[in-house]
Amino acid sequence: AQTIHQWPVAEIKAVGSPLSLGCTIKGKSSPNLYWYWQATGGTLQQLFYSITVGQVESVVQLNLSASRPKDDQFILSTEKLLLSHSGFYLCAWSPDRGNSDYTFGSGTRLLVI
Amino acid sequence: GDQVEQSPSALSLHEGTGSALRCNFTTTMRAVQWFRKNSRGSLINLFYLASGTKENGRLKSAFDSKERYSTLHIRDAQLEDSGTYFCAAENMGYKLTFGTGTSLLVDP
Repeated sequence: AQTIHQWPVAEIKAVGSPLSLGCTIKGKSSPNLYWYWQATGGTLQQLFYSITVGQVESVVQLNLSASRPKDDQFILSTEKLLLSHSGFYLCAWSPDRGNSDYTFGSGTRLLVI
Repeated sequence: GDQVEQSPSALSLHEGTGSALRCNFTTTMRAVQWFRKNSRGSLINLFYLASGTKENGRLKSAFDSKERYSTLHIRDAQLEDSGTYFCAAENMGYKLTFGTGTSLLVDP
């Protein structure tokens, strides 16, 4: 069975500090991977997606970047956090672009102060 | 851009009764998913539909791509069904757009 693991569970970070959020998927080769973000009171927005190692597409510009260093790993990062980065971050995977049955991770709650 | 209009935003049901949630789409969608938010804020899959209907226990979902809507029916609601439900639809360009959610409260 496939499993998706996200870390950390929660973070409190200072404005201007760096951030790295991680996501791994086990039990599925070549998954499509996604990062979503939800501001407090807002709707979930897709930030990035990746269909293969080393290839990442940006959907929404939020001064964040994403990388896929391995087939089963998706990283979301920034060198300088903004207050507006606060919110809830979710990683997700789907089997392929023809089958969009998404499975979400448990999420990371981020507070930037 | 694509919009997903979810209704109602809040729903109150007595235990044992039922109702339906609905999502309307402004463009043709290739598939829809329904989720329930867990206590941590993450999303638990309820249904994935590329067409037609699916049923699981007291939940049933339908998706009509041509008419641009999807529904989630809850019957015989139980207290533990309380929570927030989301639909999400994938357009032909593989972008997933979420509805704004329905907060369901089931009371005795």
